[in-house]
Amino acid sequence: DQQVKQNSPSLSVQEGRISILNCDYTNSMFDYFLWYKKYPAEGPTFLISISSIKDKNEDGRFTVFLNKSAKHLSLHIVPSQPGDSAVYFCAARGGTSYGKLTFGQGTILTVHP
Amino acid sequence: DAGVIQSPRHEVTEMGQEVTLRCKPISGHNSLFWYRQTMMRGLELLIYFNNNVPIDDSGMPEDRFSAKMPNASFSTLKIQPSEPRDSAVYFCASSRTGGVSPLHFGNGTRLTVT
Repeated sequence: DQQVKQNSPSLSVQEGRISILNCDYTNSMFDYFLWYKKYPAEGPTFLISISSIKDKNEDGRFTVFLNKSAKHLSLHIVPSQPGDSAVYFCAARGGTSYGKLTFGQGTILTVHP
Repeated sequence: DAGVIQSPRHEVTEMGQEVTLRCKPISGHNSLFWYRQTMMRGLELLIYFNNNVPIDDSGMPEDRFSAKMPNASFSTLKIQPSEPRDSAVYFCASSRTGGVSPLHFGNGTRLTVT
């Protein structure tokens, strides 16, 4: 029972263009959503988050959008850079259970120069 | 500020052997999480602790897996006996309890059981 789903295993984008990574969830108790970036042989690193009371959060080139009615969130990277090439994980937290996160399967982003 | 430290980085062992993975969380963080990453299942939570107390171990695959946190600065994940299907990357993460503090991950231990 996958509560957080990233249906696109991979995405290829040209440098300078927009990258859009998508994530769907099924658990309506989730109240906080995060995106993590992971390079090979490293652990995931926190990128950006959004609370369920908001529909948008922006941090530099990264913007996360949340559509609660559709149980969908997306990460926009503008402009994309080759250094953004990594695996991106969507994660969600439910209630106040000590920050436990449920992760999606990840999307491999490749940004071509 | 040192991040989450895991050891060893790589572990190769034979089926049936005992394996112990170690983790030192970030100082001041009072929640600790063990995750496992595989191609089939992605990142799955095995167990997590709050203030050194196990809160939820429902993700532990079976009794061969055990985890301890004897103090605020150290945790172990033990597999005894190990099996080839345990081969995966095991991540430890820590965070501050409450609020919206994100998890901080170590660089993982890549376990290969032959």
